[in-house]
Amino acid sequence: RKEVEQDPGPFNVPEGATVAFNCTYSNSASQSFFWYRQDCRKEPKLLMSVYSSGNEDGRFTAQLNRASQYISLLIRDSKLSDSATYLCAVSGQNFVFGPGTRLSVLP
Amino acid sequence: DAGVIQSPRHEVTEMGQEVTLRCKPISGHDYLFWYRQTMMRGLELLIYFNNNVPIDDSGMPEDRFSAKMPNASFSTLKIQPSEPRDSAVYFCASSLGKPQPINYGYTFGSGTRLTVV
Repeated sequence: RKEVEQDPGPFNVPEGATVAFNCTYSNSASQSFFWYRQDCRKEPKLLMSVYSSGNEDGRFTAQLNRASQYISLLIRDSKLSDSATYLCAVSGQNFVFGPGTRLSVLP
Repeated sequence: DAGVIQSPRHEVTEMGQEVTLRCKPISGHDYLFWYRQTMMRGLELLIYFNNNVPIDDSGMPEDRFSAKMPNASFSTLKIQPSEPRDSAVYFCASSLGKPQPINYGYTFGSGTRLTVV
């Protein structure tokens, strides 16, 4: 089993749709969690950190469920510019990224 | 702040040649990571340093790969001899302390796109 797994995707959604990504991790000692966004042929860039209590940044909401060892990312009212690959990252004993889920927002 | 700086941006080399990738982390960051990204395997951690000391190199594919960090502002990843299967994008990232929300996680360089023919 991979340390960090994500929905395989790709997700193709119309503008304005709500889309959710899930990410599971196997190491229960993991301490910090992030969502990164990666545009084509670019480096990953931090989208948002994931806090234990859940956190929201505009149209984006991240949640952590330590008991079930997963994190999620919800994007509301999706825009064309949200099209990218979304990577979850886990930090602590190890420093592992998920394989990413590709999102295409269609006009 | 100039961010994490990697060079070269692109490298095309022939099989068997030595390749050296370079990274300058953000000033003050004490963790440095080398990742490799391919379509098939995603983003894989190769090695990471803390205060210039290699901590975990278990991700280094084989003896052909080596990494050094002679000082806090410079690291190299060397492949000798290179093979076509080494073709990938190599990213360097740094952080102040272990990546965590309080320090905004990892900051990545723009990557080096390596093609071995």
